[in-house]
Amino acid sequence: KAGVTQTPRYLIKTRGQQVTLSCSPISGHRSVSWYQQTPGQGLQFLFEYFSETQRNKGNFPGRFSGRQFSNSRSEMNVSTLELGDSALYLCASSLPTLDYEQYFGPGTRLTVT
Amino acid sequence: AQSVTQLGSHVSVSEGALVLLRCNYSSSVPPYLFWYVQYPNQGLQLLLKYTTGATLVKGINGFEAEFKKSETSFHLTKPSAHMSDAAEYFCAVSVTIQGAQKLVFGQGTRLTINP
Repeated sequence: KAGVTQTPRYLIKTRGQQVTLSCSPISGHRSVSWYQQTPGQGLQFLFEYFSETQRNKGNFPGRFSGRQFSNSRSEMNVSTLELGDSALYLCASSLPTLDYEQYFGPGTRLTVT
Repeated sequence: AQSVTQLGSHVSVSEGALVLLRCNYSSSVPPYLFWYVQYPNQGLQLLLKYTTGATLVKGINGFEAEFKKSETSFHLTKPSAHMSDAAEYFCAVSVTIQGAQKLVFGQGTRLTINP
């Protein structure tokens, strides 16, 4: 079974631009979560989607948004990029199990200049 | 609120020595606990998890962890370190907030192996 895939793997954007990142979960997984990873803040939860609905949201500004499609693929969008948005963005998918084990993709490295 | 604390942001051991990475959690209910490993420029890979049952959990690559409820700990160990174990390790707890689940991660511990 193919793992979680994320595209693109690397991205360089300029401050003020917007960016869209894509995540394809493992086949059969309907939950997709997004995390931001930075050296200073560590792994921070952005949001989770399940069956095209946002089910959970972290403490990030409204510039960060996401959506999920009927095939469970998910996108996240960051508008009006700031230098501080430079990070590794990780996507994870999971089955609806009690323990909520998550399977991570390789991430998208976003650099904002 | 449920949280995870990893003691030591950096741990350095010699090849062949014991690896011990510490994790303490706070949870008002029996927790589901995880250890993930991250190699450079990669995502997180599950090493092992504790759900219920046996408190000593064995994972991949020779790692194991013991759930100690009385100490609210879930420390990760490996008897003999290999150079390939150099990576960042994250402890996490599964929490449910208003009916929705998510993983809460510790700050991570970077493991360095000295030849």
